[in-house]
Amino acid sequence: DTEVTQTPKHLVMGMTNKKSLKCEQHMGHRAMYWYKQKAKKPPELMFVYSYEKLSINESVPSRFSPECPNSSLLNLHLHALQPEDSALYLCASSHLSAKNIQYFGAGTRLSVL
Amino acid sequence: SQELEQSPQSLIVQEGKNLTINCTSSKTLYGLYWYKQKYGEGLIFLMMLQKGGEEKSHEKITAKLDEKKQQSSLHITASQPSHAGIYLCGADRSGTGNQFYFGTGTSLTVIP
Repeated sequence: DTEVTQTPKHLVMGMTNKKSLKCEQHMGHRAMYWYKQKAKKPPELMFVYSYEKLSINESVPSRFSPECPNSSLLNLHLHALQPEDSALYLCASSHLSAKNIQYFGAGTRLSVL
Repeated sequence: SQELEQSPQSLIVQEGKNLTINCTSSKTLYGLYWYKQKYGEGLIFLMMLQKGGEEKSHEKITAKLDEKKQQSSLHITASQPSHAGIYLCGADRSGTGNQFYFGTGTSLTVIP
């Protein structure tokens, strides 16, 4: 199984809502990532988890809150987002020994109204 | 300016034609990675190049990293509609795997 599953595929939320994005993998990868991708731009790294611990937070606003409850799951909790946060959110995972060879999910397309 | 600049920004080719995408770094690279993204979807890892002068091939795609490790090219031979998508080069600022970033991207359209 080389699949990274992200849910939901699409999400529309208001600026006062709280929602969560979910990501799951069963490849035994101990590194997991969140990326944000705006239209016609490359993905930008947001968070890196290694052994279920946050190792990198690329200066992401606190309205984005990641969580890694176990080695297979990664969540991104969203609260009080702004319209400019509308984007494709991608989850990825990798082996710790090859962190730049990442397996990506199909993404969650988020619209903030 | 971007750390990883790709050219061209977009490419439209007739099926069966060859094409080349370039990725230029402003710094010496620890390694260079090529990914492909179908429009609005996740990315698929294609190839990794680590040594200067290294060349790798998979099916009809060949990637090279120059001797100084500051430029890479991706060459597709006899393009097919299945090659269409966005090609992204990537690198790691720290060499530890914690600061991966992508190039500006090249959008490829293959006309049947």
